[in-house]
Amino acid sequence: AQTVTQSQPEMSVQEAETVTLSCTYDTSENNYYLFWYKQPPSRQMILVIRQEAYKQQNATENRFSVNFQKAAKSFSLKISDSQLGDTAMYFCAFTRNSGYALNFGKGTSLLVTP
Amino acid sequence: DAGVIQSPRHEVTEMGQEVTLRCKPISGHNSLFWYRQTMMRGLELLIYFNNNVPIDDSGMPEDRFSAKMPNASFSTLKIQPSEPRDSAVYFCASSLKDLSSYNEQFFGPGTRLTVL
Repeated sequence: AQTVTQSQPEMSVQEAETVTLSCTYDTSENNYYLFWYKQPPSRQMILVIRQEAYKQQNATENRFSVNFQKAAKSFSLKISDSQLGDTAMYFCAFTRNSGYALNFGKGTSLLVTP
Repeated sequence: DAGVIQSPRHEVTEMGQEVTLRCKPISGHNSLFWYRQTMMRGLELLIYFNNNVPIDDSGMPEDRFSAKMPNASFSTLKIQPSEPRDSAVYFCASSLKDLSSYNEQFFGPGTRLTVL
């Protein structure tokens, strides 16, 4: 079974600063996918970024980037130039492939302050 | 496309009543997932279907929960009888299963269920 652990229940960052959210996972699979989802107060689940395990290059989407360490089974999310709209719950998730369910971590509540 | 559609958006019911949650996946998607979100347990999979066939229902709490997918465009999650501990947000998600490439799971807006 795959497990996903987010050790930071809550974090706070000032607007325009950079923040890093941590995630570790456990799996015996060699090929898999990792994700960060954002859930604002509207509770809509929004995909922020995706990383394929077979790719060594870290994924980047505008202000969002990841640090993927496959051997350490670590997958952190860096948000640069934080904006007030980044305030949300952030979930780290894992799946084997398309058509398989997502395993989620417990989430990190991020508050961006003015 | 309208995205994944869930109904109702909110449901308040009394303990012992039957509750039915509905989901319409994105057209063309062949995988459908039901997740439940609570403060205590976070986001957890209840059941998922590929091509209308249940693949993994190990997350279904007990016999009070049942899910069906009679066709590619509709699924239901039923709780009978409902209990206060079933209060949660229930998400439906769909994707296109294709082992040659990853296809994103798209989530519906969720149904907030409150059982009094």
